[in-house]
Amino acid sequence: AQTVTQSQPEMSVQEAETVTLSCTYDTSENNYYLFWYKQPPSRQMILVIRQEAYKQQNATENRFSVNFQKAAKSFSLKISDSQLGDTAMYFCAFMKTRNMLTFGGGTRLMVKP
Amino acid sequence: EAGVAQSPRYKIIEKRQSVAFWCNPISGHATLYWYQQILGQGPKLLIQFQNNGVVDDSQLPKDRFSAERLKGVDSTLKIQPAKLEDSAVYLCASSSTPGQAARMMNTEAFFGQGTRLTVV
Repeated sequence: AQTVTQSQPEMSVQEAETVTLSCTYDTSENNYYLFWYKQPPSRQMILVIRQEAYKQQNATENRFSVNFQKAAKSFSLKISDSQLGDTAMYFCAFMKTRNMLTFGGGTRLMVKP
Repeated sequence: EAGVAQSPRYKIIEKRQSVAFWCNPISGHATLYWYQQILGQGPKLLIQFQNNGVVDDSQLPKDRFSAERLKGVDSTLKIQPAKLEDSAVYLCASSSTPGQAARMMNTEAFFGQGTRLTVV
């Protein structure tokens, strides 16, 4: 079974600064995908960024980037130039074959003005 | 394209009553998921369908929860009878068909806005 662990229940950051959210996972699979989803108070899960396990290069999407360490089974999310609209719950998720998708427990991020 | 549609958005029922949720996935998406998200926690997979077949229902409390996906499109999730601990947001998501090789698996699940269930 796959497990996804987010060890930071809550984080806060000042507007315009950088914050890193941590995620570790456990799997015996070699091919898989990792995701960070954002969930604002509206409850809508929104994909922030994804990483294919077979790619060594870390994914980036504008202000969002990841640090993927396959051997360590670590997948952290870095948010640069934090904005008030980044305030939300962030979930790390793992997808293996047959599209089976498992989520971590989440990190609540508060961006302060 | 239209997103994943769920209804109702909110539901309040008394314990021991029954309730049903409906989900219409994105057109053409073969995989459909139902997740339960208790306040302050991450989503927990209840059941995953591939077309109209079940891929995983290991965490579905089968004594009270049931789900079906007729014709491989829409899906309904039912709880009967409901308990207080079933209070949660029920999320439906869909993704397109994975390819034969693991590398070709679809890379994103799209979510609906969820149904907030309160059992009193």
